[in-house]
Amino acid sequence: EDQVTQSPEALRLQEGESSSLNCSYTVSGLRGLFWYRQDPGKGPEFLFTLYSAGEEKEKERLKATLTKKESFLHITAPKPEDSATYLCAVGSWGKLQFGAGTQVVVTP
Amino acid sequence: DAGVTQSPTHLIKTRGQHVTLRCSPISGHKSVSWYQQVLGQGPQFIFQYYEKEERGRGNFPDRFSARQFPNYSSELNVNALLLGDSALYLCASSLGGQASYNSPLHFGNGTRLTVT
Repeated sequence: EDQVTQSPEALRLQEGESSSLNCSYTVSGLRGLFWYRQDPGKGPEFLFTLYSAGEEKEKERLKATLTKKESFLHITAPKPEDSATYLCAVGSWGKLQFGAGTQVVVTP
Repeated sequence: DAGVTQSPTHLIKTRGQHVTLRCSPISGHKSVSWYQQVLGQGPQFIFQYYEKEERGRGNFPDRFSARQFPNYSSELNVNALLLGDSALYLCASSLGGQASYNSPLHFGNGTRLTVT
């Protein structure tokens, strides 16, 4: 069975203080690794899909990278509006196995 | 463009009752998936439907059932509610089909179910 572990559970950053979130996964065959952002009381919002080791994708202050065993979400010079829970998931065909998420709080 | 819409947004039920949750996918999306999210955890897969057929089922009891209609909207039904069924129920849609098996899921904002 696919397994996804995210660390740390929570992260508190000062505005402008860059950091990285980790997503370790165990799958029988990687079909896709997905990053989502979730705000309180909302559904997850899609950020990135990564398919193969070495792949990188960027969006504003976020950059996702993928190796054979883990993925990182780098947050560069974060702003308070980047505060959210970041979820990592593996799978395909509408069936995703999610990690528990990393709650990020960015203070001014 | 309208995203995934779910109704109702909040619901309070008593143990033993039955509940029906509804979902309308993004226009053009033919696949709908349901997830349960307990506070502090990631979403857990319940069902996937594509072209009105069940294409996947997670590790949930038979009290949980779902269906997809010809217009691709979907319902999730839960019978004999337990206190442990209290959660945020998320619906997600995607294009579906072999050519888009990795197309990302787009989630609605969920139905918050409280069982007392």
